[in-house]
Amino acid sequence: GDSVTQMEGPVTLSEEAFLTINCTYTATGYPSLFWYVQYPGEGLQLLLKATKADDKGSNKGFEATYRKETTSFHLEKGSVQVSDSAVYFCALSGQIILTGGGNKLTFGTGTQLKVEL
Amino acid sequence: NAGVTQTPKFQVLKTGQSMTLQCAQDMNHEYMSWYRQDPGMGLRLIHYSVGAGITDQGEVPNGYNVSRSTTEDFPLRLLSAAPSQTSVYFCASSPRAERSYNEQFFGPGTRLTVL
Repeated sequence: GDSVTQMEGPVTLSEEAFLTINCTYTATGYPSLFWYVQYPGEGLQLLLKATKADDKGSNKGFEATYRKETTSFHLEKGSVQVSDSAVYFCALSGQIILTGGGNKLTFGTGTQLKVEL
Repeated sequence: NAGVTQTPKFQVLKTGQSMTLQCAQDMNHEYMSWYRQDPGMGLRLIHYSVGAGITDQGEVPNGYNVSRSTTEDFPLRLLSAAPSQTSVYFCASSPRAERSYNEQFFGPGTRLTVL
């Protein structure tokens, strides 16, 4: 079945440091790929997405490129801020099952990021 | 729009008790789902619905029931609570069930403790 593997946390960085959070996936067909972010005490919200190979998703200075050849979707940001401290989830949405399987997300385990001054 | 709302925010149950977690969305979304979040395991799908009157099981459905009588509401019922159901529960919705590229919108979560 579908699966997502992302790097273990927690990750602690100084403000303005470069961020990479690795994510690789296993899926049949052509999934859509997502990064969701969860701030403390809140639900998840979409950070960025890519729906086909070589697409680059970007938002709030974060970027990720859909690499089908390496089955990866690594999250990057050139200069992190304290306000970026959160848990980041990589996820995929697989092909729709004809019996009405719907829009099911498979999540990685999450990576906690802490940014210090 | 209020988006996706969940009640209660916190709940403590004793083993064997039953309860219903409420979820509602005001975006006229077709697809709704329930996830549980446990440390080190990410989010796992419990049940989902592709429209009113249509529900199906996800990855971890045992011990939970759902129904979808309206587009707006998707309650999750715990039939006989067990300590293994201690978790944070998230409801999510998405505009169209068959579009895998659709963003899912999440509620704020319900933190459930079963003693």
